[in-house]
Amino acid sequence: DQQVKQNSPSLSVQEGRISILNCDYTNSMFDYFLWYKKYPAEGPTFLISISSIKDKNEDGRFTVFLNKSAKHLSLHIVPSQPGDSAVYFCAALGTGNQFYFGTGTSLTVIP
Amino acid sequence: KAGVTQTPRYLIKTRGQQVTLSCSPISGHRSVSWYQQTPGQGLQFLFEYFSETQRNKGNFPGRFSGRQFSNSRSEMNVSTLELGDSALYLCASSLDYGTGGFGELFFGEGSRLTVL
Repeated sequence: DQQVKQNSPSLSVQEGRISILNCDYTNSMFDYFLWYKKYPAEGPTFLISISSIKDKNEDGRFTVFLNKSAKHLSLHIVPSQPGDSAVYFCAALGTGNQFYFGTGTSLTVIP
Repeated sequence: KAGVTQTPRYLIKTRGQQVTLSCSPISGHRSVSWYQQTPGQGLQFLFEYFSETQRNKGNFPGRFSGRQFSNSRSEMNVSTLELGDSALYLCASSLDYGTGGFGELFFGEGSRLTVL
């Protein structure tokens, strides 16, 4: 049972525009969320996180929004750059300190 | 400081064989977790070790096992390999988030297993 879902397997965006990656979760006990970026032949790298006590966290071009009532979070990248092309994984920290990952969204930023 | 190191990077096995993968965490990290990545399934949690003890286990059959040594290095083993075990196996280390630090996971580059 997939507790963290990324329903868009892929997304294409023009360079300079906004990229919005979405993630839904089912477990209301999740209280910490992270985004990871993965390039081919590399391991995922941490991008940004948000605690459930916040609804927004910003780090440079990256902003994560959390809507607890909808059990939804999103990652905004503004402006998008070709180097942002990668697979993005959403993750949630559950009880027992176990991370649950989504299936990933492959972002392509077109120059 | 050195990152998470996984060996081997690539390996090919045949059905019925067994395989052992190794992971050396970042120095000072005592938590090591393992994930299986397959197309369309994302990262599936296998297990997590802390101080040589398995703290968490995902929904994988008993053919998948692991262990952690006193120096925090970890190994995972898959016995009686099946075609469906072909995947990228990722190891991640972190500080012990159980003590209040929200532990960012640091991933290795993975071991790509192909089962023929």
